[in-house]
Amino acid sequence: DSGVTQTPKHLITATGQRVTLRCSPRSGDLSVYWYQQSLDQGLQFLIQYYNGEERAKGNILERFSAQQFPDLHSELNLSSLELGDSALYFCASSLRDRGPAEQFFGPGTRLTVL
Amino acid sequence: EDQVTQSPEALRLQEGESSSLNCSYTVSGLRGLFWYRQDPGKGPEFLFTLYSAGEEKEKERLKATLTKKESFLHITAPKPEDSATYLCAVEVGKAAGNKLTFGGGTRVLVKP
Repeated sequence: DSGVTQTPKHLITATGQRVTLRCSPRSGDLSVYWYQQSLDQGLQFLIQYYNGEERAKGNILERFSAQQFPDLHSELNLSSLELGDSALYFCASSLRDRGPAEQFFGPGTRLTVL
Repeated sequence: EDQVTQSPEALRLQEGESSSLNCSYTVSGLRGLFWYRQDPGKGPEFLFTLYSAGEEKEKERLKATLTKKESFLHITAPKPEDSATYLCAVEVGKAAGNKLTFGGGTRVLVKP
């Protein structure tokens, strides 16, 4: 158990819908990261927040957005969902924002878009 | 563009048959190289961080090494519970933040 929690574990929804994925980092960690893992793309970095502020951005779609709240939990919002958005979404956390920083991953949310 | 390539894609081993996994990288300014283990449907589990060429880290039957162009994960006398996908990732110094760029992984199956 990494100490990172994610909810929900599974999410099944339809195309065009909007969903919110939630992540709580390990106690004491200030950085939160979101990654997407699909069969054809592997693990892809989406976005990083550090203490409430956006720190780095990957190839995150405009339909996706994230935020980190004062209690350091983070939410990833996915809207106008498409079939291709079906994937495992992982949250990770680390203590630092200046590297290198070991990232500890949560159990993931499996999103299925029908 | 930063690239991380892992080989082989899959590896079938008999219990006790030692082997090595390769992670080659082409990046500007390596800040750190990370190894993770991932079981099906689970999140990656952190194994090692390597910072500079010549560095080695060990944990049970696993040993990670780093050169200027690649890293190896050696599995000594593996057991069936070592079956998993092993991922390597790099953090690059010139990039803002701490994003990890992952390789495609090596799926390891250890048969009893």
